[in-house]
Amino acid sequence: QQPVQSPQAVILREGEDAVINCSSSKALYSVHWYRQKHGEAPVFLMILLKGGEQKGHEKISASFNEKKQQSSLYLTASQLSYSGTYFCGTDSSNTGKLIFGQGTTLQVKP
Amino acid sequence: NAGVTQTPKFQVLKTGQSMTLQCAQDMNHNSMYWYRQDPGMGLRLIYYSASEGTTDKGEVPNGYNVSRLNKREFSLRLESAAPSQTSVYFCASSAPAGQPQHFGDGTRLSIL
Repeated sequence: QQPVQSPQAVILREGEDAVINCSSSKALYSVHWYRQKHGEAPVFLMILLKGGEQKGHEKISASFNEKKQQSSLYLTASQLSYSGTYFCGTDSSNTGKLIFGQGTTLQVKP
Repeated sequence: NAGVTQTPKFQVLKTGQSMTLQCAQDMNHNSMYWYRQDPGMGLRLIYYSASEGTTDKGEVPNGYNVSRLNKREFSLRLESAAPSQTSVYFCASSAPAGQPQHFGDGTRLSIL
């Protein structure tokens, strides 16, 4: 079942912070986060694994609540380059078979 | 540094025609994936291959077949294209399953 992302869209000024949430109804092994700019391929940002291990981007942080099957992506001091659509992908079986959310569109204005 | 290469980048087909989308990676990754992305939507997994010689269905496999030719190459075939298959198709790879996925630039496919 597709994870639910919120909010659907966010508009920020440079320097402001944002939080994007991802919620699943299934037990998860890991949560992946990707950013996609218009007309381009998705780019990996972060993996959060069951048990607390994280791998990813230096300037972006995230959390994973295993009990609630929820993950949040924290974008601090946003830059113009952060604009794009953010997707979470959930893996319930450690097979790499990701189910992606519908995406959150982030627009950062000067 | 090619990464994941997809060909062709654009294609227009007529309903009922067949076509194979090609994907090759040069990162020595074991796992490869095919996704489709419809306008304003997230990615949906069509098929994946955990290793050379193995393939498995994803969320939306109907109307597609795949071949994992060797470790580098993973192709997606539409046997009889339908307008509902109009989409952007992305190939991805990871080393091994569960690690970050690296995406190709996509194939934009229109079926008339």
